[in-house]
Amino acid sequence: SAVISQKPSRDICQRGTSLTIQCQVDSQVTMMFWYRQQPGQSLTLIATANQGSEATYESGFVIDKFPISRPNLTFSTLTVSNMSPEDSSIYLCSVEPELEGYNEQFFGPGTRLTVL
Amino acid sequence: RKEVEQDPGPFNVPEGATVAFNCTYSNSASQSFFWYRQDCRKEPKLLMSVYSSGNEDGRFTAQLNRASQYISLLIRDSKLSDSATYLCVVSKGYTDKLIFGTGTRLQVFP
Repeated sequence: SAVISQKPSRDICQRGTSLTIQCQVDSQVTMMFWYRQQPGQSLTLIATANQGSEATYESGFVIDKFPISRPNLTFSTLTVSNMSPEDSSIYLCSVEPELEGYNEQFFGPGTRLTVL
Repeated sequence: RKEVEQDPGPFNVPEGATVAFNCTYSNSASQSFFWYRQDCRKEPKLLMSVYSSGNEDGRFTAQLNRASQYISLLIRDSKLSDSATYLCVVSKGYTDKLIFGTGTRLQVFP
C-alpha cells in the first residue's frame, strides 16, 4: 500500500480564516480523494481530486468552500475557507493505487481541525 | 434509507469469542465491498476486501450476498487487540467513490 502523509496533523483556527491541508503520497496515483469525519460520525466524501482536471465535488460540498489543487500525481491540497465552528472535523485524504480490479483506498493519518 | 447500514454497537465480547457484524447496502449496482477497521483517533485501515465467493484471512471471514445486498464479517477467537470500530464500505455504483457505514464498535474484554 502507498505511504501517505498529511500536514498539519492538527490545528486550531479562528472563525473566518482559511486552512490549507497538504497530502503527499510516496508513489504516483491517478485517484486521490478528500473526506471529512465529523465528531462521532463516519467518513463523508468531499471530492475527488484528479491531476490535470478540476476536482469533482459531492452533493453538499462546493469549490468556493473547499478548493482543491492537484498539481501532480503525488500531491494534493484541500483548503477549508471562511471557517466556522461547524467545520471542526477530521479531514482525510485517500488514494487508490494503480491496481487492476478492486479499488481499495488507503488513507492518510488525517488533519484534526478545531474552529473556535 | 441510508446507503450503507450497519449493526448498531457496541459489541462487548470476552476474549476468545466469535462475533459477527452485518451490513446492508441500497445500491444494487455497487461493485466493490470492503471492511475497514478504525482505531480511536486514527485513520481507517483496510481490513479486507469482500469478494462474491467469500474470503477468509486468518481469524476473519467476509461474506457477500448480492441478491440480498448484504455483507458480513465474522471474527473468530477475538483478541483484545481486535477492539476497534469496524466500517462497512461499499462503492457508489460502478464508480471509484466509496460510501462508509457508520461503523460498529467492538470491545473485547479479558
